[in-house]
Amino acid sequence: GAVVSQHPSRVICKSGTSVKIECRSLDFQATTMFWYRQFPKQSLMLMATSNEGSKATYEQGVEKDKFLINHASLTLSTLTVTSAHPEDSSFYICSTNPSGANVLTFGAGSRLTVL
Amino acid sequence: AQSVAQPEDQVNVAEGNPLTVKCTYSVSGNPYLFWYVQYPNRGLQFLLKYITGDNLVKGSYGFEAEFNKSQTSFHLKKPSALVSDSALYFCAELSGGYQKVTFGTGTKLQVIP
Repeated sequence: GAVVSQHPSRVICKSGTSVKIECRSLDFQATTMFWYRQFPKQSLMLMATSNEGSKATYEQGVEKDKFLINHASLTLSTLTVTSAHPEDSSFYICSTNPSGANVLTFGAGSRLTVL
Repeated sequence: AQSVAQPEDQVNVAEGNPLTVKCTYSVSGNPYLFWYVQYPNRGLQFLLKYITGDNLVKGSYGFEAEFNKSQTSFHLKKPSALVSDSALYFCAELSGGYQKVTFGTGTKLQVIP
């Protein structure tokens, strides 16, 4: 089945630094990637939708300059948390909808801890 | 407005007993409904979906769900719970031309040995 590889699984960084999270579709082309954020014991909040070759679509309330999303190829989408602060600490998950499946395939998630 | 609701934060069930995790939806028309499971520090895994057809949908790991239009529900069920079923379960609805998925708040299932 379709596999999405998400890296890193865990990252700890200092406040003020930037962190990049990558999601790769391993055996299919992902024209669209969804990026979610999950707070402890809470549901997934859709942050943005990235589309290969075009600008990402951000959900209301999500800072575009804070969470940079790039989808430069059909197999790679990245989320960069810029100038990270402790409140950005969270679990970030990417997902995509392999063509015709109507079912989301998720990456394993990245736990970001900002000190 | 949230299109799917999970009224229970946590459900406890004894191993071997049947389990039910509740979900109700509010979208009009023909909803596309899903159940996903999440194990600690992992991404979500697909369990089953209802698009059209039979109201009783069978999915992975022995789970099933019944689409009930009159009650606007899509409860997840399993006849006999396993300890390994303990996880976080999300009901979800697919909407929009961009295939946007909206998740419920999640229900933690605890199966007690």
